[in-house]
Amino acid sequence: KQEVTQIPAALSVPEGENLVLNCSFTDSAIYNLQWFRQDPGKGLTSLLLIQSSQREQTSGRLNASLDKSSGRSTLYIAASQPGDSATYLCAVDLYNTDKLIFGTGTRLQVFP
Amino acid sequence: GAVVSQHPSRVICKSGTSVKIECRSLDFQATTMFWYRQFPKKSLMLMATSNEGSKATYEQGVEKDKFLINHASLTLSTLTVTSAHPEDSSFYICSARALAGGKHEQYFGPGTRLTVT
Repeated sequence: KQEVTQIPAALSVPEGENLVLNCSFTDSAIYNLQWFRQDPGKGLTSLLLIQSSQREQTSGRLNASLDKSSGRSTLYIAASQPGDSATYLCAVDLYNTDKLIFGTGTRLQVFP
Repeated sequence: GAVVSQHPSRVICKSGTSVKIECRSLDFQATTMFWYRQFPKKSLMLMATSNEGSKATYEQGVEKDKFLINHASLTLSTLTVTSAHPEDSSFYICSARALAGGKHEQYFGPGTRLTVT
């Protein structure tokens, strides 16, 4: 059974810091991995999607890497801003199942 | 980008009543939609996969008679919580699967906050 874990569970940092959020999964047979952002009481915004054949994706200040063999992905946020405060979720899309399995989330607070 | 809407965004109902939540893909067709449930400060848990024109596939532990799913068209799926109880209070999020640029992605709705009193 696929399990997805994220650490840390919560993070509070001053603005300007570079951050690394971690996601690990137990079954490497994934189709892709996505990182999402969720603001309180809101739905999900997709940030980055990495196909199983890729090693990283970048969008602005965000960079996500994927190491399938070790079952890990990291989300790197450069020069964090208060507007980055949200919960960040990773999710793996399993081969031939059409299902997203979500991680436990990291609650990020960036203070001025 | 692809947009998914949900209606209503918030609903309060009394115990024993039924509540219908709609999920629509606004600018694309989705043969597959997904329904998730999220408890406070917890991650999303997949409840069921909704396929247009066929019965939904429910995850283990999800009561199909309590959470009725109908995927009547390529742009609409509905989730009906029947005989709601306070323990059904939760945040319900749908997503729609689309093929874009050779990749499958899921686009999420804004969620529906259900409170059962």
